Amino acid sequence: NAGVTQTPKFRVLKTGQSMTLLCAQDMNHEYMYWYRQDPGMGLRLIHYSVGEGTTAKGEVPDGYNVSRLKKQNFLLGLESAAPSQTSVYFCATNPRGGLNTGELFFGEGSRLTVL
Amino acid sequence: AQSVSQHNHHVILSEAASLELGCNYSYGGTVNLFWYVQYPGQHLQLLLKYFSGDPLVKGIKGFEAEFIKSKFSFNLRKPSVQWSDTAEYFCAVNRPGTYKYIFGTGTRLKVLA
Repeated sequence: NAGVTQTPKFRVLKTGQSMTLLCAQDMNHEYMYWYRQDPGMGLRLIHYSVGEGTTAKGEVPDGYNVSRLKKQNFLLGLESAAPSQTSVYFCATNPRGGLNTGELFFGEGSRLTVL
Repeated sequence: AQSVSQHNHHVILSEAASLELGCNYSYGGTVNLFWYVQYPGQHLQLLLKYFSGDPLVKGIKGFEAEFIKSKFSFNLRKPSVQWSDTAEYFCAVNRPGTYKYIFGTGTRLKVLA
């Protein structure tokens, strides 16, 4: 039981390049989130999904796109990376309804550097 | 808009010292409150949470937090810290029934052996 797995763990990009971060969960959770963590700014929500086939914008969605084609996977895409997107990205999940204790379950993070 | 303030950005303590980390939120309605911990190089893990009931909540590893509604606060405490408590601590707020969580900026705690 792996929980929440993020790939890749580390990546260096050049400005303008594109890439996709994958979040995979084996807990059958409905809700999935992408956050970015920057020094002194805590965690900020980029996009989230409340179920397969649905996505919504968070507080800092610009420059990112997401997809949730399968319930267990939530992809975060950068179409044209910028240095301002250098950050640590965390995926998180939680279940719906009565199983939801409020706790978010986090992946181990993906450190992205854009040169 | 909702916000969460953590007043202490960096805290350095010696082992066995007592710890209190402040957390204030700006929302007048019902909230769920959380403290998460992030050990060096690891992901965030839940320390404790408050939904309702007894405002003094006990979590893992000897941590506790007190919800004071009149002060919009949810401060984290530990009577005697250990070197292994060195980590970053995040306070978070969630409005019940919503999918959004607001995190504070975090407090880096360093415990000296």
